[in-house]
Amino acid sequence: QLQLQESGPGLVKPSETLSLTCTVSGGSISSNNYFWGWTRQPPGKGLEWIGYSGSTFYNPSLQSRVTISVDTSKNQFSLKLNSVTVADTAIYYCARLVGRELVPRRYFDYWGQGTLVTVSS
Amino acid sequence: YELTQPPSVSVSPGQAATITCSGDQLGDKFVCWYQQRPGQSPLLVIYQDRKRPSGIPERFSGSNSGNTATLTISETQTMDEADYYCQAWDSNTVIFGGGTRLTVL
Repeated sequence: QLQLQESGPGLVKPSETLSLTCTVSGGSISSNNYFWGWTRQPPGKGLEWIGYSGSTFYNPSLQSRVTISVDTSKNQFSLKLNSVTVADTAIYYCARLVGRELVPRRYFDYWGQGTLVTVSS
Repeated sequence: YELTQPPSVSVSPGQAATITCSGDQLGDKFVCWYQQRPGQSPLLVIYQDRKRPSGIPERFSGSNSGNTATLTISETQTMDEADYYCQAWDSNTVIFGGGTRLTVL
């Protein structure tokens, strides 16, 4: 059974960089059939897609601040979001994107439990 | 591109629940649906308009035509009470609907 687990600081100061890691167990992150993505959810609000690995496309509202990378040696992938503000306070989820078909057919089939990141001084 | 969902839907146990997701020419895209129970992460319940992942009960079904995709839960159970989000792709970016809270009472 595939499992994803987010980790990283729960508190980040404004203007600093938010850094999170997602550790994948029960499967290889190197498979060509999958991509690895991040989505967030502000407290009490809906889901907001951030981006996924191997793509140059990110959420347009975040694109200039986002970096997503994969470390196959550790079976992990990471998210960096720089110049954060209080508006970036959210639960951050990592997820696997089934990618063996064309983009419009892709979907997120496994999600991590999420980690709350609060931006505050 | 926007996906519009009703904020809330109520249904009695045992009855069918219908949750809609609207967008311009949505029927030309593929739609997924995710269930999110309170305090939990999203769970994929429908992908590519109408396919159910392994382990999802048959009472969950989906359709997509014209400008509207629909998630139907037949014989709704109290365990189905959750937020439901539709999702599609537009110009290589993921779009989520605003979510619908399903109340079973």
